[in-house]
Amino acid sequence: EAQVTQNPRYLITVTGKKLTVTCSQNMNHEYMSWYRQDPGLGLRQIYYSMNVEVTDKGDVPEGYKVSRKEKRNFPLILESPSPNQTSLYFCASSPSKGQRLRLFFGSGTQLSVL
Amino acid sequence: DQQVKQNSPSLSVQEGRISILNCDYTNSMFDYFLWYKKYPAEGPTFLISISSIKDKNEDGRFTVFLNKSAKHLSLHIVPSQPGDSAVYFCAASRNAGNNRKLIWGLGTSLAVNP
Repeated sequence: EAQVTQNPRYLITVTGKKLTVTCSQNMNHEYMSWYRQDPGLGLRQIYYSMNVEVTDKGDVPEGYKVSRKEKRNFPLILESPSPNQTSLYFCASSPSKGQRLRLFFGSGTQLSVL
Repeated sequence: DQQVKQNSPSLSVQEGRISILNCDYTNSMFDYFLWYKKYPAEGPTFLISISSIKDKNEDGRFTVFLNKSAKHLSLHIVPSQPGDSAVYFCAASRNAGNNRKLIWGLGTSLAVNP
């Protein structure tokens, strides 16, 4: 089954404790991206990757890191989480050619930073 | 500043009737528009899209209309079914190089009552 898999689904942590949210897709998509969803602000892009070893900042990259060492994986790293990073996070992927902007999303990761 | 606005947070319709979800945008450079549907505890899924060179696109029960002069698009669902109950997001994009950047509305929660 074609899918984008995020883990964990729920995460509660404390300020400053490094964490990684994993994202994996099995559709051989070149493009991957991370979003956060907040009430009243909607979905905002954090980082994106056009292909392996090619990443760039989205609209709200501060406090986040990403890496793209393999085509299927695109982890989101919070080196020192803060309470303002409490949010619902979505990973998404799409092919680069054709089907433009038709993103496939993971089921989301609800993060709470205390 | 919301560039994509969905002014109705919620909508309730009777099964079998038409559902009309509206979306307004402010940036005349947007050239591609999409609708995504989201069920609870899942990520958004692509529903239908339209290019700015068209004014209508139809896919089964779903039709999207675009009025560029009014900077307005709408999603029509006919006939509505209880399984259509979800949050619907409008998203817009413009040609901005390689990034598949989407600007999202805040969503409209549709309830289809049996």
